Amino acid sequence: GDSVTQMEGPVTLSEEAFLTINCTYTATGYPSLFWYVQYPGEGLQLLLKATKADDKGSNKGFEATYRKETTSFHLEKGSVQVSDSAVYFCALSDRGYSTLTFGKGTMLLVSP
Amino acid sequence: DAGITQSPRHKVTETGTPVTLRCHQTENHRYMYWYRQDPGHGLRLIHYSYGVKDTDKGEVSDGYSVSRSKTEDFLLTLESATSSQTSVYFCAISEDRPGAGNTIYFGEGSWLTVV
Repeated sequence: GDSVTQMEGPVTLSEEAFLTINCTYTATGYPSLFWYVQYPGEGLQLLLKATKADDKGSNKGFEATYRKETTSFHLEKGSVQVSDSAVYFCALSDRGYSTLTFGKGTMLLVSP
Repeated sequence: DAGITQSPRHKVTETGTPVTLRCHQTENHRYMYWYRQDPGHGLRLIHYSYGVKDTDKGEVSDGYSVSRSKTEDFLLTLESATSSQTSVYFCAISEDRPGAGNTIYFGEGSWLTVV
């Protein structure tokens, strides 16, 4: 079945550092890929998404590129802020599917 | 923000009692979902609905039932609550299939503790 593997956290960075959170997936078809963010005590919010190979999703300085050849969708940001501290979830939905499959989440902690 | 309201937001209940969580949406979206979030497991799908009276099971459906009698409401029932069902429950909605690139929007969560 479909699955998503994310790097385990917490990832601890200083403000203005470069961020990478790795995400790889297994899917039987041609999935759409998503990154969600969850701030403490809140629900999940869509951060970005991509629906076909080589597409780059971007939002709030975060980027991720759909790499079909490596089945990856790594999240990057050039300069993190304290306010980026949150849990980040990678997710996929295979073509035509009605549900999302999530990774286990990666906690990011950014210190001043 | 997507118009999703979950109730109750916090509940403590005793083992063996029935519990119903309600999700109400104002977006007229076709798809509605119930997920649970637990440390070390991420989010796992319990049940989902693709229309009024049309529902299907997710990966962790045992011990849970759902009903959708109106487009805007999706109810999750724990028939006889157990301590293993202590969790944070999230309702979510989507206009169309996420497999076609459509976004799923999440509510703020319901914290359930079974003692």
